[in-house]
Amino acid sequence: DVKVTQSSRYLVKRTGEKVFLECVQDMDHENMFWYRQDPGLGLRLIYFSYDVKMKEKGDIPEGYSVSREKKERFSLILESASTNQTSMYLCASSTRGTSGEETQYFGPGTRLLVL
Amino acid sequence: QQQVKQSPQSLIVQKGGISIINCAYENTAFDYFPWYQQFPGKGPALLIAIRPDVSEKKEGRFTISFNKSAKQFSLHIMDSQPGDSATYFCAASMGNDYKLSFGAGTTVTVRA
Repeated sequence: DVKVTQSSRYLVKRTGEKVFLECVQDMDHENMFWYRQDPGLGLRLIYFSYDVKMKEKGDIPEGYSVSREKKERFSLILESASTNQTSMYLCASSTRGTSGEETQYFGPGTRLLVL
Repeated sequence: QQQVKQSPQSLIVQKGGISIINCAYENTAFDYFPWYQQFPGKGPALLIAIRPDVSEKKEGRFTISFNKSAKQFSLHIMDSQPGDSATYFCAASMGNDYKLSFGAGTTVTVRA
């Protein structure tokens, strides 16, 4: 059974703080993703990584950075948290099926409140 | 802007009724269309998916209908149950791209 874990379910931070969100997957997946989920906007891709030390920007990378030093771990960093980064953050990892389709497996999410 | 437009934002259905969620896309390079289901407090999970070479795919009470010429696809939940109450996301991807473009989501509430 695929498991994607996120370091915290809830976080409260102050404006200007540096915030680290950690994600670990146990299925040896090559690809990992960070999304934010906001009501009415669905899931928006922040960054993704297709290999260790490799990363690509998603649709909304501004204000975020990522780190992938090990295959199983993908970290999202908010360099200087702002109130508009209050959101639910979801991590996912993916594998390609025998028919070529990509299935993403999600963690439970981290709800971040920036005051 | 979102590449996949999803409607309605929310719907309420009686137990035993049919829930219908619609999605539309513009990018004709999309060739894989999954639906994800998310329960409160959980991450989304793959529910069912379709490729454009078929017009319909059914898994249990869940059916995807696909209209390639209209660039639309929809999820039908037959005999809706309270346990189906969740948020549903349609998505699309193309070729060998790892990324999925998600719709805005539909919150389905099934009343007993």
